[in-house]
Amino acid sequence: SQKIEQNSEALNIQEGKTATLTCNYTNYSPAYLQWYRQDPGRGPVFLLLIRENEKEKRKERLKVTFDTTLKQSLFHITASQPVDSATYLCALYSGNTPLVFGKGTRLSVIA
Amino acid sequence: ETGVTQTPRHLVMGMTNKKSLKCEQHLGHNAMYWYKQSAKKPLELMFVYNFKEQTENNSVPSRFSPECPNSSHLFLHLHTLQPEDSALYLCASKGGPSMSGELFFGEGSRLTVL
Repeated sequence: SQKIEQNSEALNIQEGKTATLTCNYTNYSPAYLQWYRQDPGRGPVFLLLIRENEKEKRKERLKVTFDTTLKQSLFHITASQPVDSATYLCALYSGNTPLVFGKGTRLSVIA
Repeated sequence: ETGVTQTPRHLVMGMTNKKSLKCEQHLGHNAMYWYKQSAKKPLELMFVYNFKEQTENNSVPSRFSPECPNSSHLFLHLHTLQPEDSALYLCASKGGPSMSGELFFGEGSRLTVL
């Protein structure tokens, strides 16, 4: 069966450290993968997209990697700050179905 | 402000009530979506409309009835709901052949069914 899994439901990290979130998938051939941020009681907000032929994408303190062999994307926040505390969702698009979302990882950055 | 507005933000209804959720997008997008978000579950796609035509109905019970009168407006009509339908209902829109394919979400309507 097709699955998209974000391994950690919650992740606590010290301010200033790099937060790394994982998204794994099975039985999909994604054309691209997206990451969203969601704050409590709010809708998700798009952060980054990475295509199947791209290894890495960066935006300010954010970095996303995509390994189609491992069927995995990693989402990194460098020099993490308390304002980065939120739930992060990965979503993949395989071309013949609408975007499919993971359950999300709730990140808490502790000062 | 994402350009997608949902009303009401909060709704409490009994199982015999009829209510509607409204979504409006000011982005000129041609696709609109309804998602359901329950605790500890991934976002569940409910309905998709492209150019006002429904292109996806993800096996949603008939007690949820969508309506898309034009590309800017989307409604979700609710009737005889069950307590397990309590959730955050999110509307999203997407542009035409967008390079990023990103979805623009509204703030959601928090529904509680008593």
